[in-house]
Amino acid sequence: GENVEQHPSTLSVQEGDSAVIKCTYSDSASNYFPWYKQELGKRPQLIIDIRSNVGEKKDQRIAVTLNKTAKHFSLHITETQPEDSAVYFCAALQGGSEKLVFGKGMKLTVNP
Amino acid sequence: NAGVTQTPKFRILKIGQSMTLQCTQDMNHNYMYWYRQDPGMGLKLIYYSVGAGITDKGEVPNGYNVSRSTTEDFPLRLELAAPSQTSVYFCASSDQRGRETQYFGPGTRLLVL
Repeated sequence: GENVEQHPSTLSVQEGDSAVIKCTYSDSASNYFPWYKQELGKRPQLIIDIRSNVGEKKDQRIAVTLNKTAKHFSLHITETQPEDSAVYFCAALQGGSEKLVFGKGMKLTVNP
Repeated sequence: NAGVTQTPKFRILKIGQSMTLQCTQDMNHNYMYWYRQDPGMGLKLIYYSVGAGITDKGEVPNGYNVSRSTTEDFPLRLELAAPSQTSVYFCASSDQRGRETQYFGPGTRLLVL
């Protein structure tokens, strides 16, 4: 089955800096890769996603890149703000199934 | 729309007790999912359903049961609670066309003592 590894597990940046979160996956048949943001005590919420036929997708300050050959994808956050502080999860849709497999999450802290 | 709702928000169970976690969605989504989230870990899929009357196991189904008698409801049953089931449980749903995009409920925090 699919295995998703996420690193680093924690990241602390200064407000205005950029942050990058990297994930790798094992199943070459996986074709959908969402990113979820979870604030403390809240539910996960989708912030951006990418499909395997696209190499990059951008939405304002966030972007996601996908390298199918290397089986890794990354989330980029520019001009970070304190409200970006949260746990970010990557996931991959297991090929041929309805199952999302999640990474363990990365805690981002943006210091004012 | 209320989206995905879950009850209760928090519950303490004694070892061996049973309970049902409720999940309801009002978006007419066919796909529904149950996850558990342990501290410092990602979400692990317990069970999922692709429509009323159809359920299937996820990654960690042992100790749980589900049913899907209606499109709206997807309850999760714990028969003999164990300390290892202490976790936060999230229900999610998605629709047929954009089924990859999952919308999560607020979660149920369960403590088994």
